[in-house]
Amino acid sequence: DIVLTQSPDSLAVSLGERATINCKSSQSLLYNSNNRNYLAWYQQKPGQPPKLLIYWASTRESGVPDRFSGSGSGTDFTLTISSLQAEDVAVYYCQQYYNTSGLTFGGGTKVEIK
Amino acid sequence: QVQLVQSGAEVKKPGSSVKVSCKASGGPFSTYAITWVRQAPGQGLEWMGGIIPIFGTTHYTQNFQGRVTITADESTSTAYMELSSLTSDDTAVYYCAKEGGTARYFESWGQGTLVTVSS
Repeated sequence: DIVLTQSPDSLAVSLGERATINCKSSQSLLYNSNNRNYLAWYQQKPGQPPKLLIYWASTRESGVPDRFSGSGSGTDFTLTISSLQAEDVAVYYCQQYYNTSGLTFGGGTKVEIK
Repeated sequence: QVQLVQSGAEVKKPGSSVKVSCKASGGPFSTYAITWVRQAPGQGLEWMGGIIPIFGTTHYTQNFQGRVTITADESTSTAYMELSSLTSDDTAVYYCAKEGGTARYFESWGQGTLVTVSS
């Protein structure tokens, strides 16, 4: 299976400041034939199911605020919250869908307000 | 947008089985894949497997091979996940999710079903 390692495990950011979450893959998630990275990001608030934020590493899901952005390629990816809001407190997960018979998630990053 | 509604919480004895349902509305059920993900208390997300109803094809992660069965009833737009030989380690919230049309990310999710395994 492809292993996704997220860092940090948790971070505390002041309101209005930038939050950056990293996701490193054990193998490249870039499919050369279409030049797409098979990585998604989710947000999970307490007691709720995950919510899709980003797919294809950088495509924002409809309705997701533009303060959320995804970047990276190959094995290294980043989710950035440009200006943290109170409602962004959550755990964030990356997920690879390159290996379609073995979908995997990162371990999660907890974002809190400083 | 497709909405997924799951069955209610379950309490099961070790060694027994549980079957969780996931009813879809708001879209053509048969043409998209439904996947199952579980989350143990305080832990991360773990993909279990999925099904494409129109083809009846299923994929399972090796971690659950032989213990999990995922099925779908097109007539009721409902997917099912059955997990057998339960142990306390299977205590978790089980989610169904609809996969993206062109790739295996998860566009929408059910509300989750808590399965507690306890003697």
